[in-house]
Amino acid sequence: AQSVTQLGSHVSVSEGALVLLRCNYSSSVPPYLFWYVQYPNQGLQLLLKYTSAATLVKGINGFEAEFKKSETSFHLTKPSAHMSDAAEYFCAVIPGGTSYGKLTFGQGTILTVHP
Amino acid sequence: GAVVSQHPSWVICKSGTSVKIECRSLDFQATTMFWYRQFPKQSLMLMATSNEGSKATYEQGVEKDKFLINHASLTLSTLTVTSAHPEDSSFYICSARGLGQGSQPQHFGDGTRLSIL
Repeated sequence: AQSVTQLGSHVSVSEGALVLLRCNYSSSVPPYLFWYVQYPNQGLQLLLKYTSAATLVKGINGFEAEFKKSETSFHLTKPSAHMSDAAEYFCAVIPGGTSYGKLTFGQGTILTVHP
Repeated sequence: GAVVSQHPSWVICKSGTSVKIECRSLDFQATTMFWYRQFPKQSLMLMATSNEGSKATYEQGVEKDKFLINHASLTLSTLTVTSAHPEDSSFYICSARGLGQGSQPQHFGDGTRLSIL
């Protein structure tokens, strides 16, 4: 079964610092991978997706993620945190080769940005 | 871009009543809609998948008689929580997927906060 693990339920950074949110997946074949952001009392917004094309994926709001098959990882980064980045972030996976399967979400990481 | 509207955004009701939540795709035809439940400080758990015109497929452990899902049109799905009790209090989120949506799997609504007294 597909699964995704996010390391660290809470990450705190200073404004302007590097943001690194970790995500590892387990899959026998390369899956499709996604990062979503959720603001309080709202649904999910897609930040970026990996669908077997380029391994370095750029998303919205300055975020990017790199697919590393050898490490089964898809960590999310942003060079310089902004106060508006404070939210909860979810890594998600769909079985490889299709965007029409079920999304399985990680446990989520709450990002706090302090001045 | 694709927009999914969920209504109501917040509902408070007495134990024993039934609550209906609507999920609409505003600018595309949603062939498939998904219903999730999210407890505080937890991830989203898929409850069921519904395809337009057919019965919903429920995930293991989800009571289909408790959570009634209707997907009668390509733009509307409803989730009815029947005889709701305090343990049903949660954040319910729908998502929709349609033809021609490319590799983005689902578009999410803004969720419904359900509080049962």
